[in-house]
Amino acid sequence: DAGVIQSPRHEVTEMGQEVTLRCKPISGHNSLFWYRQTMMRGLELLIYFNNNVPIDDSGMPEDRFSAKMPNASFSTLKIQPSEPRDSAVYFCASRTQGAPREQYFGPGTRLTVT
Amino acid sequence: AQSVTQLGSHVSVSEGALVLLRCNYSSSVPPYLFWYVQYPNQGLQLLLKYTTGATLVKGINGFEAEFKKSETSFHLTKPSAHMSDAAEYFCVLSGNTPLVFGKGTRLSVIA
Repeated sequence: DAGVIQSPRHEVTEMGQEVTLRCKPISGHNSLFWYRQTMMRGLELLIYFNNNVPIDDSGMPEDRFSAKMPNASFSTLKIQPSEPRDSAVYFCASRTQGAPREQYFGPGTRLTVT
Repeated sequence: AQSVTQLGSHVSVSEGALVLLRCNYSSSVPPYLFWYVQYPNQGLQLLLKYTTGATLVKGINGFEAEFKKSETSFHLTKPSAHMSDAAEYFCVLSGNTPLVFGKGTRLSVIA
């Protein structure tokens, strides 16, 4: 069974450009999470969805960040406009809603904004 | 409030030596606890989990952890370190919030 799939794996863009990160959760999982990892701040939860509905977006740093989950098998995280401080590794994770709630992580997208 | 504290941001052991990574938690509800491992330039991988029942849980790659409610601890151990164990390890709590991550412990293995 395929794990969580993220694309692209690497993204290099210039400041001011729009960036879209994509995630396909594990089939049958109905919760999806977006994280950001940096050396300075560690792993941060940005937003999560249950059954395609955003539940908590309090971790989204600014209005420049938005996330959607149009169906159970696809989610996007968009940054518009991007800034150098957005450079980080972005992870997507999914899980079923029942206990014990372990999450399964994708390989991440390494974003560099110059 | 729920929290996870990992003691030591960096642990260094010799190859073949015991690995001990410490984790203490605070939770207002019975916790589920996990250890995740992150190898360089990779995502987080579930190493083992405690849900209910047996307090000594075994995971992949020879790791195990013991849940001690009285000490609110969930330390990770491996009898003999291997070079391939060098990675970042995260202790993670699931209570009534999605997941609460510790800050991670970087394990270095010296030949």
